[in-house]
Amino acid sequence: GNSVTQMEGPVTLSEEAFLTINCTYTATGYPSLFWYVQYPGEGLQLLLKATKADDKGSNKGFEATYRKETTSFHLEKGSVQVSDSAVYFCALKDAGGTSYGKLTFGQGTILTVHP
Amino acid sequence: DGGITQSPKYLFRKEGQNVTLSCEQNLNHDAMYWYRQDPGQGLRLIYYSQIVNDFQKGDIAEGYSVSREKKESFPLTVTSAQKNPTAFYLCASSMGGQGSYEQYFGPGTRLTVT
Repeated sequence: GNSVTQMEGPVTLSEEAFLTINCTYTATGYPSLFWYVQYPGEGLQLLLKATKADDKGSNKGFEATYRKETTSFHLEKGSVQVSDSAVYFCALKDAGGTSYGKLTFGQGTILTVHP
Repeated sequence: DGGITQSPKYLFRKEGQNVTLSCEQNLNHDAMYWYRQDPGQGLRLIYYSQIVNDFQKGDIAEGYSVSREKKESFPLTVTSAQKNPTAFYLCASSMGGQGSYEQYFGPGTRLTVT
């Protein structure tokens, strides 16, 4: 079955530091890949997505590139802010089959940014 | 504004009682989903529905039930058969079909059963 593995947290950084959160996946075919962010006590918000190999998703200074050869979708940001403190989830969506539409999530990575 | 609403934000129940969580969307999405989130874990799919009057079990459907009588609404009932119901419940919706459509999430309902 499909699975998503994220780097274990929590991750603690100082403001303006470089961020990488690793995400690797196992899936058949060509899934779509997503990064979601969850602020305390809230639902999830889509941060970025990529739908095919070598696509780069980007939003609010965050980037992730769909690497089929390494089955990875690592999240990066060049300079984090305190307001980026949240939980980040990597997810994949099947390209088709009986479970189409279903998202498979990683376990989430807690990011804390200090001033 | 289009979006997904879940109510209430906090819900308290006694053990042995059934409880229904509300989820409404005005995004005109065909597909809707219910997830459960426990501390330190990712989201686990409870039920999903691709179209009105049809729904499918997810990975952890035991002890839960749903209905989809209207396109806009997808209520989740947590029954007394659910052994560990205390959790944060998230509803989501997306366009239907096999495209790479993202899911949009509601703000969640935190259920506490004592």
